[in-house]
Amino acid sequence: AQSVTQLGSHVSVSEGALVLLRCNYSSSVPPYLFWYVQYPNQGLQLLLKYTSAATLVKGINGFEAEFKKSETSFHLTKPSAHMSDAAEYFCAVILAGGTSYGKLTFGQGTILTVHP
Amino acid sequence: DAMVIQNPRYQVTQFGKPVTLSCSQTLNHNVMYWYQQKSSQAPKLLFHYYDKDFNNEADTPDNFQSRRPNTSFCFLDIRSPGLGDAAMYLCATSRDFGAGNEQYFGPGTRLTVT
Repeated sequence: AQSVTQLGSHVSVSEGALVLLRCNYSSSVPPYLFWYVQYPNQGLQLLLKYTSAATLVKGINGFEAEFKKSETSFHLTKPSAHMSDAAEYFCAVILAGGTSYGKLTFGQGTILTVHP
Repeated sequence: DAMVIQNPRYQVTQFGKPVTLSCSQTLNHNVMYWYQQKSSQAPKLLFHYYDKDFNNEADTPDNFQSRRPNTSFCFLDIRSPGLGDAAMYLCATSRDFGAGNEQYFGPGTRLTVT
Protein backbone atom coordinates (compact mmCIF):
# COMPACT_ATOMS: atom_id res chain seq x y z
CA ALA A 1 0.00 0.00 0.00
CA GLN A 2 1.11 3.52 -0.63
CA SER A 3 1.06 6.31 1.89
CA VAL A 4 2.28 9.82 2.23
CA THR A 5 3.19 11.43 5.53
CA GLN A 6 3.66 15.13 6.00
CA LEU A 7 5.55 15.93 9.17
CA GLY A 8 3.99 18.90 10.90
CA SER A 9 0.41 19.98 10.31
CA HIS A 10 1.41 23.60 10.93
CA VAL A 11 4.64 25.40 10.05
CA SER A 12 5.30 29.02 10.90
CA VAL A 13 8.13 31.10 9.46
CA SER A 14 9.10 34.75 9.29
CA GLU A 15 9.01 36.61 6.00
CA GLY A 16 12.35 36.10 4.27
CA ALA A 17 13.16 32.90 6.15
CA LEU A 18 13.68 29.45 4.67
CA VAL A 19 10.56 27.38 4.10
CA LEU A 20 10.90 23.62 4.64
CA LEU A 21 7.85 21.38 4.41
CA ARG A 22 8.51 17.70 4.95
CA CYS A 23 7.04 14.78 3.06
CA ASN A 24 7.86 11.09 3.31
CA TYR A 25 6.33 8.34 1.26
CA SER A 26 6.15 4.60 1.49
CA SER A 27 5.97 2.61 -1.69
CA SER A 28 7.18 -0.70 -3.04
CA VAL A 29 6.99 0.53 -6.63
CA PRO A 30 8.42 3.68 -8.21
CA PRO A 31 6.46 6.72 -7.12
CA TYR A 32 5.51 9.87 -8.94
CA LEU A 33 5.40 12.69 -6.43
CA PHE A 34 3.62 16.01 -6.43
CA TRP A 35 3.30 19.10 -4.31
CA TYR A 36 0.09 21.09 -4.48
CA VAL A 37 -0.82 24.39 -2.82
CA GLN A 38 -4.32 25.37 -1.73
CA TYR A 39 -5.32 28.90 -0.79
CA PRO A 40 -8.45 29.40 1.33
CA ASN A 41 -11.63 28.46 -0.50
CA GLN A 42 -9.72 27.61 -3.65
CA GLY A 43 -8.84 24.47 -5.55
CA LEU A 44 -5.41 22.87 -5.62
CA GLN A 45 -2.63 24.29 -7.76
CA LEU A 46 0.29 22.15 -8.84
CA LEU A 47 3.61 23.49 -7.56
CA LEU A 48 5.90 20.80 -8.96
CA LYS A 49 6.15 17.11 -9.75
CA TYR A 50 8.79 14.39 -9.71
CA THR A 51 8.62 11.85 -12.50
CA SER A 52 12.08 10.23 -12.23
CA ALA A 53 13.80 12.54 -14.73
CA ALA A 54 15.78 14.58 -12.18
CA THR A 55 15.96 14.33 -8.42
CA LEU A 56 15.91 18.09 -7.87
CA VAL A 57 12.70 19.54 -9.18
CA LYS A 58 12.03 23.24 -9.58
CA GLY A 59 8.47 24.49 -9.47
CA ILE A 60 6.51 27.68 -9.58
CA ASN A 61 6.78 30.60 -7.16
CA GLY A 62 10.40 29.78 -6.28
CA PHE A 63 9.68 26.40 -4.72
CA GLU A 64 11.75 23.30 -5.28
CA ALA A 65 11.85 19.76 -3.95
CA GLU A 66 14.45 17.03 -3.88
CA PHE A 67 13.63 13.35 -4.27
CA LYS A 68 15.78 11.23 -1.97
CA LYS A 69 15.14 7.55 -2.52
CA SER A 70 17.36 6.46 0.37
CA GLU A 71 15.32 8.59 2.75
CA THR A 72 11.98 8.07 0.94
CA SER A 73 11.52 11.80 1.14
CA PHE A 74 10.37 14.63 -1.10
CA HIS A 75 10.68 17.76 1.02
CA LEU A 76 9.55 21.13 -0.34
CA THR A 77 11.75 24.18 0.14
CA LYS A 78 11.87 27.85 -0.69
CA PRO A 79 14.85 30.01 0.24
CA SER A 80 12.90 33.09 1.23
CA ALA A 81 9.27 33.10 2.34
CA HIS A 82 6.80 35.72 1.14
CA MET A 83 3.57 36.66 2.82
CA SER A 84 1.75 35.37 -0.26
CA ASP A 85 3.10 31.86 0.42
CA ALA A 86 0.71 31.46 3.35
CA ALA A 87 -1.52 28.56 2.35
CA GLU A 88 -1.99 24.83 2.84
CA TYR A 89 0.42 22.52 1.07
CA PHE A 90 -0.27 18.93 0.12
CA CYS A 91 2.24 16.29 -0.84
CA ALA A 92 0.79 13.57 -3.04
CA VAL A 93 1.88 10.37 -4.74
CA ILE A 94 0.75 8.34 -7.72
CA LEU A 95 2.16 4.86 -8.06
CA ALA A 96 3.31 3.35 -11.33
CA GLY A 97 1.78 0.00 -10.41
CA GLY A 98 -0.29 -1.89 -7.89
CA THR A 99 -3.93 -1.70 -6.93
CA SER A 100 -3.83 2.07 -6.51
CA TYR A 101 -2.28 2.59 -9.92
CA GLY A 102 -2.92 6.04 -11.32
CA LYS A 103 -4.73 7.38 -8.25
CA LEU A 104 -3.51 10.44 -6.41
CA THR A 105 -3.01 9.85 -2.68
CA PHE A 106 -2.57 12.95 -0.55
CA GLY A 107 -0.75 13.59 2.66
CA GLN A 108 -2.58 15.24 5.52
CA GLY A 109 -1.53 18.73 4.51
CA THR A 110 0.68 21.38 6.14
CA ILE A 111 -0.60 24.86 6.83
CA LEU A 112 2.16 27.42 6.28
CA THR A 113 1.91 30.69 8.18
CA VAL A 114 4.24 33.56 7.29
CA HIS A 115 4.83 36.28 9.85
CA PRO A 116 5.92 39.82 8.91
CA ASP B 1 -6.75 30.10 -20.91
CA ALA B 2 -7.51 26.41 -20.72
CA MET B 3 -9.03 25.64 -17.39
CA VAL B 4 -11.35 23.70 -15.11
CA ILE B 5 -14.51 25.54 -14.12
CA GLN B 6 -16.87 24.67 -11.31
CA ASN B 7 -20.30 26.10 -10.75
CA PRO B 8 -21.59 27.29 -8.46
CA ARG B 9 -18.71 28.23 -6.15
CA TYR B 10 -21.01 28.12 -3.14
CA GLN B 11 -24.13 25.99 -2.85
CA VAL B 12 -26.59 25.78 0.01
CA THR B 13 -29.08 22.94 0.09
CA GLN B 14 -31.50 21.54 2.59
CA PHE B 15 -31.16 18.22 4.32
CA GLY B 16 -32.45 15.54 1.96
CA LYS B 17 -32.93 17.87 -1.03
CA PRO B 18 -31.09 16.65 -4.15
CA VAL B 19 -28.31 18.85 -5.40
CA THR B 20 -26.14 18.86 -8.52
CA LEU B 21 -22.68 20.33 -8.83
CA SER B 22 -21.19 21.13 -12.21
CA CYS B 23 -17.70 20.92 -13.67
CA SER B 24 -16.51 21.82 -17.13
CA GLN B 25 -13.09 21.81 -18.73
CA THR B 26 -11.50 23.38 -21.78
CA LEU B 27 -8.37 21.21 -21.59
CA ASN B 28 -9.88 18.39 -23.65
CA HIS B 29 -8.60 15.91 -21.08
CA ASN B 30 -9.74 12.32 -21.08
CA VAL B 31 -10.10 11.90 -17.34
CA MET B 32 -12.30 13.81 -14.93
CA TYR B 33 -12.31 13.30 -11.17
CA TRP B 34 -14.51 14.29 -8.24
CA TYR B 35 -13.03 14.74 -4.80
CA GLN B 36 -14.64 15.53 -1.46
CA GLN B 37 -12.62 17.65 0.95
CA LYS B 38 -13.86 18.17 4.47
CA SER B 39 -12.51 20.87 6.71
CA SER B 40 -8.84 20.46 7.62
CA GLN B 41 -8.60 17.21 5.65
CA ALA B 42 -6.99 16.10 2.44
CA PRO B 43 -9.14 15.61 -0.66
CA LYS B 44 -10.75 12.17 -0.93
CA LEU B 45 -11.42 10.66 -4.33
CA LEU B 46 -15.08 9.79 -4.91
CA PHE B 47 -14.91 8.56 -8.52
CA HIS B 48 -13.48 9.31 -11.92
CA TYR B 49 -14.37 9.00 -15.56
CA TYR B 50 -11.97 7.85 -18.20
CA ASP B 51 -13.77 9.12 -21.26
CA LYS B 52 -17.21 7.56 -20.74
CA ASP B 53 -16.04 4.79 -18.43
CA PHE B 54 -17.14 5.40 -14.84
CA ASN B 55 -14.93 4.24 -11.98
CA ASN B 56 -16.35 4.37 -8.48
CA GLU B 57 -14.21 4.21 -5.35
CA ALA B 58 -15.20 1.30 -3.12
CA ASP B 59 -16.03 3.50 -0.14
CA THR B 60 -18.03 6.16 -1.99
CA PRO B 61 -21.60 6.18 -0.63
CA ASP B 62 -24.43 5.30 -2.99
CA ASN B 63 -25.86 8.73 -2.26
CA PHE B 64 -23.24 10.15 -4.64
CA GLN B 65 -23.68 9.75 -8.37
CA SER B 66 -22.01 11.24 -11.39
CA ARG B 67 -22.72 11.90 -15.04
CA ARG B 68 -20.46 12.82 -17.90
CA PRO B 69 -22.59 13.67 -20.94
CA ASN B 70 -19.62 14.73 -23.06
CA THR B 71 -15.87 15.33 -22.86
CA SER B 72 -16.23 18.81 -21.43
CA PHE B 73 -18.79 18.40 -18.68
CA CYS B 74 -19.12 16.28 -15.58
CA PHE B 75 -21.76 16.48 -12.86
CA LEU B 76 -21.88 15.35 -9.26
CA ASP B 77 -25.33 14.47 -7.98
CA ILE B 78 -26.02 14.07 -4.29
CA ARG B 79 -29.39 12.38 -4.05
CA SER B 80 -30.21 13.02 -0.40
CA PRO B 81 -27.63 15.27 1.24
CA GLY B 82 -26.98 14.78 4.90
CA LEU B 83 -25.26 17.15 7.29
CA GLY B 84 -22.13 15.04 6.94
CA ASP B 85 -21.96 15.81 3.23
CA ALA B 86 -21.13 19.44 3.85
CA ALA B 87 -17.70 19.87 2.30
CA MET B 88 -15.70 21.37 -0.52
CA TYR B 89 -16.16 19.38 -3.72
CA LEU B 90 -13.26 19.53 -6.13
CA CYS B 91 -13.28 18.58 -9.78
CA ALA B 92 -10.01 17.70 -11.48
CA THR B 93 -8.88 16.57 -14.91
CA SER B 94 -5.87 14.83 -16.38
CA ARG B 95 -4.84 14.13 -19.93
CA ASP B 96 -4.65 10.43 -19.30
CA PHE B 97 -4.86 8.03 -16.39
CA GLY B 98 -1.57 6.91 -14.97
CA ALA B 99 1.38 7.75 -12.85
CA GLY B 100 2.92 10.64 -14.74
CA ASN B 101 -0.30 12.52 -15.42
CA GLU B 102 -0.73 15.52 -13.19
CA GLN B 103 -4.22 16.56 -12.27
CA TYR B 104 -5.58 20.05 -12.80
CA PHE B 105 -8.10 21.21 -10.24
CA GLY B 106 -11.02 23.56 -10.44
CA PRO B 107 -11.70 26.17 -7.74
CA GLY B 108 -14.17 23.93 -5.94
CA THR B 109 -17.77 24.18 -4.82
CA ARG B 110 -18.38 24.62 -1.13
CA LEU B 111 -21.57 22.81 -0.18
CA THR B 112 -23.52 23.75 2.93
CA VAL B 113 -26.36 21.53 4.13
CA THR B 114 -28.96 23.13 6.39
